[in-house]
Amino acid sequence: GNSVTQMEGPVTLSEEAFLTINCTYTATGYPSLFWYVQYPGEGLQLLLKATKADDKGSNKGFEATYRKETTSFHLEKGSVQVSDSAVYFCALSELGFQKLVFGTGTRLLVSP
Amino acid sequence: DTAVSQTPKYLVTQMGNDKSIKCEQNLGHDTMYWYKQDSKKFLKIMFSYNNKELIINETVPNRFSPKSPDKAHLNLHINSLELGDSAVYFCASSQGTGDSEAFFGQGTRLTVV
Repeated sequence: GNSVTQMEGPVTLSEEAFLTINCTYTATGYPSLFWYVQYPGEGLQLLLKATKADDKGSNKGFEATYRKETTSFHLEKGSVQVSDSAVYFCALSELGFQKLVFGTGTRLLVSP
Repeated sequence: DTAVSQTPKYLVTQMGNDKSIKCEQNLGHDTMYWYKQDSKKFLKIMFSYNNKELIINETVPNRFSPKSPDKAHLNLHINSLELGDSAVYFCASSQGTGDSEAFFGQGTRLTVV
């Protein structure tokens, strides 16, 4: 079946540091890939997505590139802020399958 | 105006009770979902409905019964609550295609004591 693996956290960084959160996937077809973010006490919000190989999703300084050859969708940000502290979820969805399959989430803690 | 709203936000109840969580979306989406998030933050789909019809039931105990009176509402009723049902339950909606964004409610934290 389809699955998503992402690095365990927490990831602890100082403000303005570079962020990478690794995500790899296993899928039988051609999935769309997503990063969702969950701030404390809130529901999930879409951060970015990519729907085909080599697409780059970007939003709020975050980027991720759909790499079919390595089945990866790593999240990066050049300079994190304290307000980026949250749990980040990598997810996939295949056309025709009306559900998201999530990774286990990675908690990011950014200190001033 | 909240896109996906669910109530209540917190629910504390005793083992064996029956409870319901309500969800409404005002986005005009055809597809609605229930996800369960456990204490380790792991998210797993429970149910998916498209135009009021059940599409996905991910081996959820039949004590959980979703009901969709119309395509804007998807309620979750849980019978005979158990300690292991304690979790955060998220409602979500989307256009239903594989590449469409899912919009999530704020979650209902269910605690069974």
